[in-house]
Amino acid sequence: DVKVTQSSRYLVKRTGEKVFLECVQDMDHENMFWYRQDPGLGLRLIYFSYDVKMKEKGDIPEGYSVSREKKERFSLILESASTNQTSMYLCASSPAGTGGAYEQYFGPGTRLTVT
Amino acid sequence: AQTVTQSQPEMSVQEAETVTLSCTYDTSESDYYLFWYKQPPSRQMILVIRQEAYKQQNATENRFSVNFQKAAKSFSLKISDSQLGDAAMYFCAYASNYQLIWGAGTKLIIKP
Repeated sequence: DVKVTQSSRYLVKRTGEKVFLECVQDMDHENMFWYRQDPGLGLRLIYFSYDVKMKEKGDIPEGYSVSREKKERFSLILESASTNQTSMYLCASSPAGTGGAYEQYFGPGTRLTVT
Repeated sequence: AQTVTQSQPEMSVQEAETVTLSCTYDTSESDYYLFWYKQPPSRQMILVIRQEAYKQQNATENRFSVNFQKAAKSFSLKISDSQLGDAAMYFCAYASNYQLIWGAGTKLIIKP
């Protein structure tokens, strides 16, 4: 079974802090994704990566950056956390290929609160 | 740009009954994939069912089936013999290049 893990289930940070969210997958997937989930808005893509050291902006990249130094690990960085970044953050991975590229496997999520 | 609309924020169904969740999408592409994902309370998002647009036959996975109407750009999910474990948020998603475009979700409540 594919396993995607995230470093924390719950996180509370102060405004202005630098925040790191870590995601690790164990299935050698090429693609990795970071989403933000808010009620009534579904999932919105922040960044994705289709290879090591590669990254692409999603729909809402402002205020975020990412790092992918190893194939299995994809980090989301909030450079200076703000209260409007309070949300659930979901990491996902998928294999390369036309069909398989779209079947994404998700981590349990990190609920981040910025005070 | 592609969009996905789930018009039912919340649905409820009696245990053992059948329920249908609606999803419409907008696209100018002819070949694409559609998905239904399930997110149980405090648990991970998992894939329920997938439909490839070039296939006319509706996808089925056990108690879950879809009604895919390509011309109408409609992709509804039918859950038969609803069980308490089906209670979750259900998301419809459209695949475009590497990305999934998501609907806002429908919360499904199962009444015992």
